[in-house]
Amino acid sequence: KAGVTQTPRYLIKTRGQQVTLSCSPISGHRSVSWYQQTPGQGLQFLFEYFSETQRNKGNFPGRFSGRQFSNSRSEMNVSTLELGDSALYLCASYPMGTDTQYFGPGTRLTVL
Amino acid sequence: GENVEQHPSTLSVQEGDSAVIKCTYSDSASNYFPWYKQELGKGPQLIIDIRSNVGEKKDQRIAVTLNKTAKHFSLHITETQPEDSAVYFCAATVAGNYGQNFVFGPGTRLSVLP
Repeated sequence: KAGVTQTPRYLIKTRGQQVTLSCSPISGHRSVSWYQQTPGQGLQFLFEYFSETQRNKGNFPGRFSGRQFSNSRSEMNVSTLELGDSALYLCASYPMGTDTQYFGPGTRLTVL
Repeated sequence: GENVEQHPSTLSVQEGDSAVIKCTYSDSASNYFPWYKQELGKGPQLIIDIRSNVGEKKDQRIAVTLNKTAKHFSLHITETQPEDSAVYFCAATVAGNYGQNFVFGPGTRLSVLP
């Protein structure tokens, strides 16, 4: 089975721009979670989707949003980028009935 | 909310020695505790997990122990090898929770010296 894929792998943006990151979960997984990883704050939960519905949200400003499509693929969007948004954004998927999350390789976002 | 602490932040061991990483959690409702290994340029990879109804779990050279009363759990790696060098994260969550999210520890950078 193919793992979680994330595109693009690397992205450079400037302050004020917006960005969209994509995540394709493992086939059959309907739940997708997003995390932000930075050296200072570590791994922090952004939000979680199941069957196109956001079920949980972390403590991030409204500039961070996401959605999930009927094929379980998910996107997250960050508007009005700030320097502090530079991070590795990780997507994880898991199947119904389990708690084990499988992570993708991440998208490295650099904001200049 | 849940808070997870992890120690040490860095750990260097000689190849063949054992390594132990400890985590404590604050929310007594947490009942699922996975450990992830993250290598440079990659996403975290699950290496072992434990649930609160089990005190210990082992998988070859890797073991995890859980003390629910004290709210701490530990990762034990025996016969360490250079390829074990990576950053290790512990996490805690309430299993089966609607809209599950993991709370991660800050990570431990393990270096295995040949």
